[in-house]
Amino acid sequence: GAVVSQHPSRVICKSGTSVKIECRSLDFQATTMFWYRQFPKKSLMLMATSNEGSKATYEQGVEKDKFLINHASLTLSTLTVTSAHPEDSSFYICSAETSGANTGELFFGEGSRLTVL
Amino acid sequence: GQQVMQIPQYQHVQEGEDFTTYCNSSTTLSNIQWYKQRPGGHPVFLIQLVKSGEVKKQKRLTFQFGEAKKNSSLHITATQTTDVGTYFCEYNFNKFYFGSGTKLNVKP
Repeated sequence: GAVVSQHPSRVICKSGTSVKIECRSLDFQATTMFWYRQFPKKSLMLMATSNEGSKATYEQGVEKDKFLINHASLTLSTLTVTSAHPEDSSFYICSAETSGANTGELFFGEGSRLTVL
Repeated sequence: GQQVMQIPQYQHVQEGEDFTTYCNSSTTLSNIQWYKQRPGGHPVFLIQLVKSGEVKKQKRLTFQFGEAKKNSSLHITATQTTDVGTYFCEYNFNKFYFGSGTKLNVKP
């Protein structure tokens, strides 16, 4: 199956700093990628849809200035958590669908666990 | 708005017992997908259901899509410890949303 790579897998940062998370589709092109946030023992909450070459579409309640998404190429989307605070600590995970496959399958990155001190 | 409820939230079974998780939608779904997430891992795709009344099997796993395409279930026969994890249904309306998940724990 298609491979999505996410980096870093773990990051610890100080409050007030910014953290960038990368999501790459390694063997396919992804015009659309999805960013999710998962709290402990909870489901995946869709944060935003990342569209190559255009602005991301954010879900209601997600601050676009807080969570900056850039999808500059067909294989890379980045999520930057700006001015991170402890409440931003979470598991962030990206996914992508292979174009035209029509299988409904989303391929997920390994996820990034962010801890803000 | 669209709501998909997934139950139960948790299920603890003895190895060899069966397990079922359900997703129920307030509106008709075009399709539904099922994923499994192992502890500490990322969701892995299991199956897609598209047709009304569809039933698909994968070894000990049986997936059903209701006639009205509002309900779906995942049934595991004779659970094994390797089945431990959280099972999510996923549905889409141009975006991909996940049910709340059912966490399965299997006691050996």
